[in-house]
Amino acid sequence: EIVLTQSPATLSLSPGERATLSCRASQSVSSYLAWYQQKPGQAPRLLIYDASNRASGIPARFGGSGSGTDFTLTISSLEPEDFAVYYCQQRSNWPPRGTFGQGTKLEIK
Amino acid sequence: QVQLVESGGGVVQPGRSLRLSCAASGFTFSSYVMHWVRQAPGKGLEWVAVISYDGSTKYYADFVKGRFTISRDNSKNTLYLQMNSLRADDTAVYHCARDTSYGIFDQWGQGTLVTVSS
Repeated sequence: EIVLTQSPATLSLSPGERATLSCRASQSVSSYLAWYQQKPGQAPRLLIYDASNRASGIPARFGGSGSGTDFTLTISSLEPEDFAVYYCQQRSNWPPRGTFGQGTKLEIK
Repeated sequence: QVQLVESGGGVVQPGRSLRLSCAASGFTFSSYVMHWVRQAPGKGLEWVAVISYDGSTKYYADFVKGRFTISRDNSKNTLYLQMNSLRADDTAVYHCARDTSYGIFDQWGQGTLVTVSS
């Protein structure tokens, strides 16, 4: 079973700063890695799929990179609405189980 | 627009059963694989189960295998999760999610809270 480890657990930054979130897989997941954003009391929202593809309607300040075991979500210049919890997720061919990382909380400094 | 609305949550005693529903609208429900994902209070996301577009194939996380059953009624655009033998550690918000391509969850419902407590 593949384990996803996200770091840091909490990231404290100010609006306008650049955020870099990491997700490491215990074995290669190729490019089958997605990122989700979740705000308190809300459903998760798909940001990035297959490592680097932005989902529909996602602003260009969100970017994903990586392959194999090491992945990064970058937010180029933080907006107030970007402070939330971010999860990475590994997908697979059938059955498409969704293994999630434990999350990174992005908080306002 | 796409909407997924869960219902059926509540407080239930350990060992009892509950059935969750997820009403879908705004898209061709019968064309999509669907999932249940849960989130315990203050915790992360945890995949529960998946069902194929026609309901013929289902898979479960090990921790619910034999206790939970996922199903769907494409004529009613509704996804279900029958939960039996509930335990305290099943306490969570249960979300349904649409699968756009082999485990990419592009649409989520707000979730329904299940609390297992005596």
